[in-house]
Amino acid sequence: EVQLVESGGGLIQPGGSLRLSCAASGFTVSSNYMSWVRQAPGKGLEWVSVIYSGGSTYYADSVKGRFTISRDNSKNTLYLQMNSLRAEDTAVYYCARGGAYIAIDYWGQGTLVTVSS
Amino acid sequence: QSVLTQPPSVSGAPGQRVTISCTGSSSNIGAGYDVHWYQQLPGTAPKLLIYGNSNRPSGVPDRFSGSKSGTSASLAISGLQAEDEADYYCQSYDSSLSGAVFGGGTQLTVL
Repeated sequence: EVQLVESGGGLIQPGGSLRLSCAASGFTVSSNYMSWVRQAPGKGLEWVSVIYSGGSTYYADSVKGRFTISRDNSKNTLYLQMNSLRAEDTAVYYCARGGAYIAIDYWGQGTLVTVSS
Repeated sequence: QSVLTQPPSVSGAPGQRVTISCTGSSSNIGAGYDVHWYQQLPGTAPKLLIYGNSNRPSGVPDRFSGSKSGTSASLAISGLQAEDEADYYCQSYDSSLSGAVFGGGTQLTVL
C-alpha cells in the first residue's frame, strides 16, 4: 500500500528555516516524480516544487531561491528545505507522488507551516 | 490569480448533471499537456479524480467524466449525490513556468 507521511511543520518566525520530511512506503521515491504542493488557509492548491526521477528539480517562482527539494534514496524520503520564510508561506504542505505533467496519484495528509512572529 | 481559470462555484440538485470548466492558454492546455482533476473533501487531502484528460482511476465512479478541447477542459458530474459536495481542482503543466499549474478551485454545492 502506498503511503506518504509528512512531518516537520510548525510555527516559525519570519526569516526562519524549516525542513519538511515525507516518508514514503509502498513504492520507490527515486523512481517517481515527487512534488510538494501547498494550500494556504481557505485558499486553493499551489504547486511548490518537483523533483524528477532523474534528479532534475524545479520550483514555483514564489519560492525559487529560498526552498530546496531533495530526496534520500536510502531512506525513501522526500524533503523540502525552506529558508527565509515569509508570512505568505503559511500553508498546509502536501507531499505528493507525481507532478509536472504527470497526474498526482497519491497525496500525504499534509503538514501545517505557520510563519508568524 | 491562477494560471488555469475555473468558476468559483457551481451547484445542482441531487440527480442532476453539472460541469466545471477549466480554461488555460497556449503554454499549458493549449500546448497539448494533459489535464487532471482532483476532488478535495473538507479537511482532507486532494484525491485524483480524472487523469490524462478523461481517464478515471480505479474506484472512481463513472458518474465523473472529463474532456479537453483546445485551451480548455471540463469535468462533468452526472447523477449528483450529496457526497459529491467538495472542492474540485484542475491541473496541467505549463511550459513557460516549467511546472504544474492548478486552477483556483470550484466549490460544488448539492442543493
